[in-house]
Amino acid sequence: DAKTTQPNSMESNEEEPVHLPCNHSTISGTDYIHWYRQLPSQGPEYVIHGLTSNVNNRMASLAIAEDRKSSTLILHRATLRDAAVYYCILRGGGSQGNLIFGKGTKLSVKP
Amino acid sequence: DGGITQSPKYLFRKEGQNVTLSCEQNLNHDAMYWYRQDPGQGLRLIYYSQIVNDFQKGDIAEGYSVSREKKESFPLTVTSAQKNPTAFYLCASSIYTDGYNEQFFGPGTRLTVL
Repeated sequence: DAKTTQPNSMESNEEEPVHLPCNHSTISGTDYIHWYRQLPSQGPEYVIHGLTSNVNNRMASLAIAEDRKSSTLILHRATLRDAAVYYCILRGGGSQGNLIFGKGTKLSVKP
Repeated sequence: DGGITQSPKYLFRKEGQNVTLSCEQNLNHDAMYWYRQDPGQGLRLIYYSQIVNDFQKGDIAEGYSVSREKKESFPLTVTSAQKNPTAFYLCASSIYTDGYNEQFFGPGTRLTVL
């Protein structure tokens, strides 16, 4: 599985949008881009995933660059409950299935 | 409610003792996984199972063992051969193992070896 690069930490104000970047310059054509988040002392939680097109769900939006070498997770209105570590992960379409986690981005949300 | 349960939440053991961590899912998923997380780090895969009576080693399988006798259960045994067993252990499941499907995680078991 290809590697991803994320900033170690980011800060946001409550009720403002947050853009979490992820670089994945070695992505292959069949790699899906997954995002998970983990609150302190809890298991990771699925956020969103996509292949080529931008994706929206109730939690967030995923914007994928046209060359697929980078993507951005967008939280439209940050809340205090969004404070977590966010992981950007690539998974091949036919892979064994495990998620390869880096250190992620620790998002802090200020009231 | 469908989901994944892990028990216990906290576990303490003496050095040299084997310990078994429980993981149960009622999501009817074929695939199950065990991950280990150390402080400030991401998760690392220990073992995974694509179907009942079948499992494969992950990146850090040494000192661990698993079984998959039932679809809903995937217990992990931390043996005395594991050099540094103190960690946060997470179990997950997915419909299948292919890259499209999301994984659902349990709440984790924090193991401390004294």
